[in-house]
Amino acid sequence: EAQVTQNPRYLITVTGKKLTVTCSQNMNHEYMSWYRQDPGLGLRQIYYSMNVEVTDKGDVPEGYKVSRKEKRNFPLILESPSPNQTSLYFCASSPVGQGRYEQYFGPGTRLTVT
Amino acid sequence: KQEVTQIPAALSVPEGENLVLNCSFTDSAIYNLQWFRQDPGKGLTSLLLIQSSQREQTSGRLNASLDKSSGRSTLYIAASQPGDSATYLCAVAGYTGANSKLTFGKGITLSVRP
Repeated sequence: EAQVTQNPRYLITVTGKKLTVTCSQNMNHEYMSWYRQDPGLGLRQIYYSMNVEVTDKGDVPEGYKVSRKEKRNFPLILESPSPNQTSLYFCASSPVGQGRYEQYFGPGTRLTVT
Repeated sequence: KQEVTQIPAALSVPEGENLVLNCSFTDSAIYNLQWFRQDPGKGLTSLLLIQSSQREQTSGRLNASLDKSSGRSTLYIAASQPGDSATYLCAVAGYTGANSKLTFGKGITLSVRP
């Protein structure tokens, strides 16, 4: 089954404790992206990747890092999480860039930073 | 900067009613427009994708139209059912270089009353 998976689905952590949210897709997609969803603000892009070893900032990259060492994986790293990073996070992928293709979303990771 | 607006924020209708959800966007230079469904606390399910060169797309009881020149899209739901209750998001993919970033509206929360 074609899908985007994220782990963990739920995470409660404390300020400053490094964490990684994994994202994996099995569709051989080149393009992958991370969004966060906050009440009243909607979904906003954090980082994206056009292909292996190619990443760039989205609209709200501060406090986040990403890497793309393999085509299927695109982890989101919070090196020193803060309470304002409490949010619902989504990973997405699509076959190629340029917005011509449907984007597939993972189930989301609900992160709480205390 | 692209802005996507969905009004109203919430809608309640009786079962069986045909309904139209509206989406407007400010920059007509888009690659495509996608409609998503989001159930509470869950991920995004893609409903329909309309390429910029298309006028509409249909899937079952759903029909989405796109008028790029006026910056509008509508999602038509025929014979609504309680199972259609969810938040409906529209998102546009714009010309942002190599980035296929989706700009999302804040969504319309639909409640279909039995």
